Amino acid sequence: DVQLVESGGGLVNLGGSLRLSCTTSGLTYSSFTMNWVRQAPGKGLQWVSSMSGNGLYIYYADSLKGRFTISRGNAKNSVFLQMDNLRADDTAVYFCARSVGHKMDVWGQGTTVTVSS
Amino acid sequence: SYELTQPPSVSVSPGQTASITCSGEQLGGKYVCWYQQKPGQSPVLVIYEDKERPSGIPERFSGSSSGTTATLTISGTQAMDEADYYCQAWDNGTPVFGGGTQLTIL
Repeated sequence: DVQLVESGGGLVNLGGSLRLSCTTSGLTYSSFTMNWVRQAPGKGLQWVSSMSGNGLYIYYADSLKGRFTISRGNAKNSVFLQMDNLRADDTAVYFCARSVGHKMDVWGQGTTVTVSS
Repeated sequence: SYELTQPPSVSVSPGQTASITCSGEQLGGKYVCWYQQKPGQSPVLVIYEDKERPSGIPERFSGSSSGTTATLTISGTQAMDEADYYCQAWDNGTPVFGGGTQLTIL
């Protein structure tokens, strides 16, 4: 069974940094694009970043460029989101999701990031 | 930037048909997905490529798309279908989500 498990969320001060992890099991990571999607409290889904399976194609939401960095682990079963200079409006649940073709078909349970002033 | 527009809320009586729309420029030329999200849970894919249903999703969920509007239809709605629904399309290789529609079963 394919599973994605996020970790690394928590409480961080304004301007601080966090590194989120998404560990995959049951799938060959390098075959799929991995995405980070976030959801602020009471709000809708917002795409954050994507990385292709071969790592050659990386995309970020325009509003986040320069502060967030997506990467993958050497074992290729993990994808990371480095978040720097965090702001109050980065407070959200962060999901990782696999996309294959034109769909995001597997989602993790999410990890909560709270930025405190 | 590309935008998808959904009605904030839709209400339907049990057993009736619910239709949730998603509008965007030239949406008919893009593949649309629909996700169901219940409180405190992760999104679940219910429709992909406009009208395809993943395995395990009940037949009462269907999708269509034409022109600038995609539609998620839930026939014979059940109490368990009460949730938020999000449409999603791809624009220049990146995913764009609609604002979400809260479906209430009266």
